Parts: sequence; structure tokens; C-alpha cells
Amino acid sequence: KNQVEQSPQSLIILEGKNCTLQCNYTVSPFSNLRWYKQDTGRGPVSLTIMTFSENTKSNGRYTATLDADTKQSSLHITASQLSDSASYICVVKVKAAGNKLTFGGGTRVLVKP
Amino acid sequence: NAGVTQTPKFQVLKTGQSMTLQCAQDMNHEYMSWYRQDPGMGLRLIHYSVGAGITDQGEVPNGYNVSRSTTEDFPLRLLSAAPSQTSVYFCASSSPGRDTEAFFGQGTRLTVV
Repeated sequence: KNQVEQSPQSLIILEGKNCTLQCNYTVSPFSNLRWYKQDTGRGPVSLTIMTFSENTKSNGRYTATLDADTKQSSLHITASQLSDSASYICVVKVKAAGNKLTFGGGTRVLVKP
Repeated sequence: NAGVTQTPKFQVLKTGQSMTLQCAQDMNHEYMSWYRQDPGMGLRLIHYSVGAGITDQGEVPNGYNVSRSTTEDFPLRLLSAAPSQTSVYFCASSSPGRDTEAFFGQGTRLTVV
């Protein structure tokens, strides 16, 4: 069964500090992996996409990594800001018709001043 | 640019009532999907459509109906609401293609009492 597991479920960090979120997946066949940010009361918004051949990709203070061999991805947030408080969702696309997506349960990040 | 618009934002239903959640997108996307998000769980696919006139079931379709008469609109119907359908519902749209992004609406928070 295709699954996406994220850890930790939640974390609290102080403003200005760094943190790393983890995503392990068993989706097959793999097409790509996206990290989404979901603010409270809003829909998810894409931060970055990782394809099979990519190891690292940055989007501002967000850096995603992908190890396709171990089926693991991480999202690193550098110099956190209060606006980074949100849920971060790892989403893996199955290589099949209909753009089917498999969602992780998300990591809830709270940045405190 | 409106993107994906969902209405209503909040709704309370009594058990046994029926209602329709509306979803419209203005990006001319062929693919549209409905998900539900429950605490501690990843988004789960209810129904999806790969084009006008074509719909299919997702992971959790029971108790829901959909239709796709136009490219822009993809309404979700609850036939006879049950407390187990209390959830946050998200509509998403995307174009075909391996690396295309799914765009989400702001969600509808539904409570069935």
C-alpha cells in the first residue's frame, strides 16, 4: 500500500532557529515529491518539487532533499520566522493516470518569539 | 486571479440532511479532485475527475456523489449527512503532466450534528 510517513508530528522552535522535517514514503512507482505549506484555515500551497534525479532544491529559507534509494525526503527551514508557523505536508505523486497524490499526515511547526 | 474557489467556508448540518459543496476554478485545469482532511491524518481522496463528463472514485467515496458538467465546476454532494462526515473538505485542480502542481481551495469546514 502506498504510504507517506512524516516526523515529527509537531515541533516548537524559537524564532531564528533552524529545524528539519522528515518524510519517508513507500509509494511506487514514484513520479515526484512535493512539500506543501498549510497555514491554519487555508489550503496547502506548494513550496518545492523534487523529481527522481534531484537531490537538493532550495526556495528561499526552505531547502528540500531527496534520497530516492532510501525513499526519504527532508525539509530544512533556516532562520525560522513567526510566519513559518504552519503545517508542512509531504505529498508523493504516483506515476499513473489522473495525477493521483499520496499525502503524509503533516508536521505542525510552531515558531515562538 | 481567483484560482480555486470553494463555498461555503463553514457549514453545520443535521444528520440525514443533504447538501452540495461548490468548487470552481478559473485556470482551465482538466484535473479536479475532492479531499477530506481529518485530524492527524493525511488528505484522503474522495472523488476525482480528469475532464468534463469523466469522474471516478477515490479512496473514501462512500456517501458522496460528484459530477463534472463543465471544466470549471466540480460540486461534491453529500446524500445523507452522517457525523462521520464531519471534516474539512478541500477541492484541488491541476493540469495533466508529471510535474504539474495541484492548487487547493481554502477548504469547507463541515460539522454534522
